[in-house]
Amino acid sequence: QKEVEQNSGPLSVPEGAIASLNCTYSDRGSQSFFWYRQYSGKSPELIMSIYSNGDKEDGRFTAQLNKASQYVSLLIRDSQPSDSATYLCAVNNNDMRFGAGTRLTVKP
Amino acid sequence: ETGVTQSPTHLIKTRGQQVTLRCSSQSGHNTVSWYQQALGQGPQFIFQYYREEENGRGNFPPRFSGLQFPNYSSELNVNALELDDSALYLCASSLKASKRDYGYTFGSGTRLTVV
Repeated sequence: QKEVEQNSGPLSVPEGAIASLNCTYSDRGSQSFFWYRQYSGKSPELIMSIYSNGDKEDGRFTAQLNKASQYVSLLIRDSQPSDSATYLCAVNNNDMRFGAGTRLTVKP
Repeated sequence: ETGVTQSPTHLIKTRGQQVTLRCSSQSGHNTVSWYQQALGQGPQFIFQYYREEENGRGNFPPRFSGLQFPNYSSELNVNALELDDSALYLCASSLKASKRDYGYTFGSGTRLTVV
């Protein structure tokens, strides 16, 4: 079983729609959870962090965490073509482990 | 200076050679982690250094080694290079306090090609 699992996609949504990205993790001791965005040929950049069960909103992004289900998700509202990228879920328990990423394409 | 800087940006080496990659941490950060990212894959954890000591290691052989210096800069050394070592190598710095990491800041990476 992989430590952090994501649907590899690709996920395609029309401009203005909600994109939903999901992630599960195996280490119940994990303390911190992150979403990174990675454009092609670039390094990952942090877009959201979440530490407690529930929802956390930041602009058009909402991260959701359910530790009992070992599940993390990211919702992107009003998706824009500039959101087209690979989204990496990362889970931290002393060190950070990443999923393989979900490639999102937002079509104009 | 803010941000994480890595050098070199690109490197071509021959199988069997050794390579050293360098990273300067973001100001105020005390932890550095190194990752290997193959094309189309997520970053794979190599190891982490906290206050100059190795603080965790992923599933990489001993020919991958590292150092962290008092100014929190770091090196990744790879001996006996293999073709499969060709990848993007990412350095990330963070602030570790009370066992919690407050998100990683990545450098722009070093693209290593082994021929």
